[in-house]
Amino acid sequence: KAGVTQTPRYLIKTRGQQVTLSCSPISGHRSVSWYQQTPGQGLQFLFEYFSETQRNKGNFPGRFSGRQFSNSRSEMNVSTLELGDSALYLCASSLAPLNTEAFFGQGTRLTVV
Amino acid sequence: DQQVKQNSPSLSVQEGRISILNCDYTNSMFDYFLWYKKYPAEGPTFLISISSIKDKNEDGRFTVFLNKSAKHLSLHIVPSQPGDSAVYFCAASEPQKLVFGQGTRLTINP
Repeated sequence: KAGVTQTPRYLIKTRGQQVTLSCSPISGHRSVSWYQQTPGQGLQFLFEYFSETQRNKGNFPGRFSGRQFSNSRSEMNVSTLELGDSALYLCASSLAPLNTEAFFGQGTRLTVV
Repeated sequence: DQQVKQNSPSLSVQEGRISILNCDYTNSMFDYFLWYKKYPAEGPTFLISISSIKDKNEDGRFTVFLNKSAKHLSLHIVPSQPGDSAVYFCAASEPQKLVFGQGTRLTINP
């Protein structure tokens, strides 16, 4: 079956702009989590959605937001982009909210210039 | 506050020998631990996991050890193969999220 799909794969934006990233989970998975990966910082948890509800949120400013649709697809939005937002954004899906075995997409590489 | 730490940013091992990757955590509420492997330009791939009620889990060449009293887990790969060269992340599970370490870049030399 198809894996986790993230679009776009690469994105270049200008400081101050906003961006929307998309994630389609594995069919049947209802939990979607978002992570930010930067060099030396590992994967930092952004938020997790289950059945269209945000169940947990990491320590990121309010410029980072997300939502989940009834088909479990999820979007992540970052407004007023800063240079430090340049990172690989990863989406993971799992059957249940516990994320015990989450399956990751290939990520979206965002570069802010 | 880094709740999951991988103190070695990189590790170099000769092909055929054992690779040992280490991870320390601070939160005693974590009840499930996982290792992920990541190649460049790809998302992390689940490798192996262990519940906090166990101290060892084995899957082929991969074995994860958990020492709860020391809040330490390790991943052993034996024998190491060139295809094992990747970044390895340990992760700890708390409700609704995974907390990841910074990763260790493993290089297997022929």
